Amino acid sequence: DAEITQSPRHKITETGRQVTLACHQTWNHNNMFWYRQDLGHGLRLIHYSYGVQDTNKGEVSDGYSVSRSNTEDLPLTLESAASSQTSVYFCASRKTRTSGKDGELFFGEGSRLTVL
Amino acid sequence: AQTVTQSQPEMSVQEAETVTLSCTYDTSENNYYLFWYKQPPSRQMILVIRQEAYKQQNATENRFSVNFQKAAKSFSLKISDSQLGDTAMYFCAFSPNTGNQFYFGTGTSLTVIP
Repeated sequence: DAEITQSPRHKITETGRQVTLACHQTWNHNNMFWYRQDLGHGLRLIHYSYGVQDTNKGEVSDGYSVSRSNTEDLPLTLESAASSQTSVYFCASRKTRTSGKDGELFFGEGSRLTVL
Repeated sequence: AQTVTQSQPEMSVQEAETVTLSCTYDTSENNYYLFWYKQPPSRQMILVIRQEAYKQQNATENRFSVNFQKAAKSFSLKISDSQLGDTAMYFCAFSPNTGNQFYFGTGTSLTVIP
């Protein structure tokens, strides 16, 4: 079965360190997203990509970067981790660029990041 | 700007009873889609139900149904015959047809009491 996987599932790091969260999907979806989930805020969009070599900033992109070198992967990098980036991070993908038939978002299982 | 509001941070329901979770949204779009996602303690986000704004008929999926009021911009989720496995965080989400983004509410934590 096709799926979307994230690694690591749990990570503890120190302020100032670079951290990369991996996201790999086997749906062959062009559209991929990174969200962060915080109490009282729901899910907020960090970055998204419509396809290889395409990346776009979301609502809360400061301090984060992504790259898309192939269809399957969209790694999220925190260049210099800050305590405010302690959160649960979700990767998601969808088949279509817009909502509609086949417009469902498929989520990974989340990565809990703690920055000390 | 698109916003999604869930005004009930926490709710509880007795097993086998019915519960309704509220969601309102604000948009100037005419064509859009609405979703309810469930997040159990495992953290996995699972699609529960979706509604196309151009359809007047309310969507249903087994024990889950919605009450979609387009003029009022309201999209509530009704869970019938609640089961222990329904205990989860529920997120309402909005996605305009013209864009690629989803906008999520802050979630409602539902506890089903045995």
